[in-house]
Amino acid sequence: GAGVSQSPRYKVAKRGQDVALRCDPISGHVSLFWYQQALGQGPEFLTYFQNEAQLDKSGLPSDRFFAERPEGSVSTLKIQRTQQEDSAVYLCASSSGGNTEAFFGQGTRLTVV
Amino acid sequence: GQNIDQPTEMTATEGAIVQINCTYQTSGFNGLFWYQQHAGEAPTFLSYNVLDGLEEKGRFSSFLSRSKGYSYLLLKELQMKDSASYLCEISTGGFKTIFGAGTRLFVKA
Repeated sequence: GAGVSQSPRYKVAKRGQDVALRCDPISGHVSLFWYQQALGQGPEFLTYFQNEAQLDKSGLPSDRFFAERPEGSVSTLKIQRTQQEDSAVYLCASSSGGNTEAFFGQGTRLTVV
Repeated sequence: GQNIDQPTEMTATEGAIVQINCTYQTSGFNGLFWYQQHAGEAPTFLSYNVLDGLEEKGRFSSFLSRSKGYSYLLLKELQMKDSASYLCEISTGGFKTIFGAGTRLFVKA
């Protein structure tokens, strides 16, 4: 497709369960971002990739959060032992690099019960 | 600390003009973005400012004053479909970006 694709759109996890969220960026986009967005708030930065290199992971809230982009295209955000406070929309965005506009996916709404 | 402030909500009338302000204090600055986000949807890019002044793009304009840590988004000829949240984002100069909490705009007939 032409845009950023995220899957699943919705995920319900039991507390303590591990989840994996997938992001397919726009083909050829060097930069990839993950954000966490709580209801009524702006997106909060989690991590940044330039191709396959994770250059900034300062926003990951704990060591339960892990992201990878092994071949410089598709990225996965993994959350281990999910907690209720992890419930949020997780947004992925990609751009061609530098200070260019980012294109966002529709997000994955994670609900931890 | 790093801080971006936007009004929480605004209401305006169809056909009118509305200005949404954003003030910021960040450790670095490498540009400011405005995004529009309809409820339950992805943010979409509206504008980018890195130098002081006004950038115009159809019905939308964005202004930046770096010395004042201030930007605004101006929406003209408001339409009902402009009802959405408007997000101010700062590129801090590293790889991290910071978003404001967003301004929810309600356009009434």
